[in-house]
Amino acid sequence: GEDVEQSLFLSVREGDSSVINCTYTDSSSTYLYWYKQEPGAGLQLLTYIFSNMDMKQDQRLTVLLNKKDKHLSLRIADTQTGDSAIYFCAESGSGGSYIPTFGRGTSLIVHP
Amino acid sequence: EPEVTQTPSHQVTQMGQEVILRCVPISNHLYFYWYRQILGQKVEFLVSFYNNEISEKSEIFDDQFSVERPDGSNFTLKIRSTKLEDSAMYFCASSEEGPGLNTEAFFGQGTRLTVV
Repeated sequence: GEDVEQSLFLSVREGDSSVINCTYTDSSSTYLYWYKQEPGAGLQLLTYIFSNMDMKQDQRLTVLLNKKDKHLSLRIADTQTGDSAIYFCAESGSGGSYIPTFGRGTSLIVHP
Repeated sequence: EPEVTQTPSHQVTQMGQEVILRCVPISNHLYFYWYRQILGQKVEFLVSFYNNEISEKSEIFDDQFSVERPDGSNFTLKIRSTKLEDSAMYFCASSEEGPGLNTEAFFGQGTRLTVV
């Protein structure tokens, strides 16, 4: 079945850019997502990208998709302490199902 | 802002006991989901529910699991005879429309189930 992989931890200094990476296995994935989970809260959809797009920008967030390498990244510009959270990569559309398949989540730690 | 709420936030149960996890989805949503995340592992899809029946389920969702919408507001996940490996964070989610491009699923904060 579909597999989504991401690194577990990322530590950055406040004001720097953060780049969270994700790889997936099924080339028929249609939609790719980034979710954010703050402490004590549920998963919140941050942004998504169609598989026929290379890039999507939304304020401080930039999503890059390399479909050939099945690699997705989320760049957060000017990272703030409030960005500290767990970020989940997810995909859907593979195998005809639109139920998102998630990775393990990357814990982003922002320090002063 | 409407939100999905889950109770309890933490449940401890003995192995072999039945447990019911409760969720109140957003009121005008029609599609409901359960996911779980074992500590350190991926968030895994369990089941989706629409129109009072299961619409999709994963291999994890075996006969030990069942879902129900007992009234107009609650959506429950029952585990009949809990095992140690059922210990996980369980997330409920709901969406206005079915899974797809324009669908955003809203997640609850999770119930941490600990089986001892």
